[in-house]
Amino acid sequence: DAGVIQSPRHEVTEMGQEVTLRCKPISGHNSLFWYRQTMMRGLELLIYFNNNVPIDDSGMPEDRFSAKMPNASFSTLKIQPSEPRDSAVYFCASSLPTSGFHNEQFFGPGTRLTVL
Amino acid sequence: AQSVTQLDSHVSVSEGTPVLLRCNYSSSYSPSLFWYVQHPNKGLQLLLKYTSAATLVKGINGFEAEFKKSETSFHLTKPSAHMSDAAEYFCVVSLPRDNKLIFGAGTRLAVHP
Repeated sequence: DAGVIQSPRHEVTEMGQEVTLRCKPISGHNSLFWYRQTMMRGLELLIYFNNNVPIDDSGMPEDRFSAKMPNASFSTLKIQPSEPRDSAVYFCASSLPTSGFHNEQFFGPGTRLTVL
Repeated sequence: AQSVTQLDSHVSVSEGTPVLLRCNYSSSYSPSLFWYVQHPNKGLQLLLKYTSAATLVKGINGFEAEFKKSETSFHLTKPSAHMSDAAEYFCVVSLPRDNKLIFGAGTRLAVHP
């Protein structure tokens, strides 16, 4: 398996532009997670999905952020409009269905976003 | 609520010497605990996990961690550091049957020749 795939790996954009980050989870995994990593705040969970349904979006910073999972093999995280404080590395992770104990989350390589 | 505290933001060791990365957790329930490693410009990889079975957990690359309920600790150790161990290490807590992971702030491990 190719693992979790994220695109693009690097994105540089100007303030006010729309940014779309993409993620393809591992086949057969039914949970998908979006994280943001910054020096100041460390790793933060933004939102996660089970079976394509958003379960907890309490970590989404504000209305400028939105995430979708139209099918089991694809998810997007969109920022509109983007701001310089959104600059961070965004990770996508996926896992198997929870079966009483927590299952390992498999992380993608991340998208490094720079908003000028 | 559950949380995790990594007691050292940076640890520096010489190659061939032992590694100790400290982690304390807080949880109202029996937690699941994990250590993840992040190499520069890479995603995170699971090193090991504790899920209420054996208290001494062995992971990949010679790492192990011991769950001590009385001390609410889950320290990561390795007998002999290798240059390739230089990375950032995250202690993580989760409740059983809960998909959410709570990450510590991370410990950056440097290994010197």
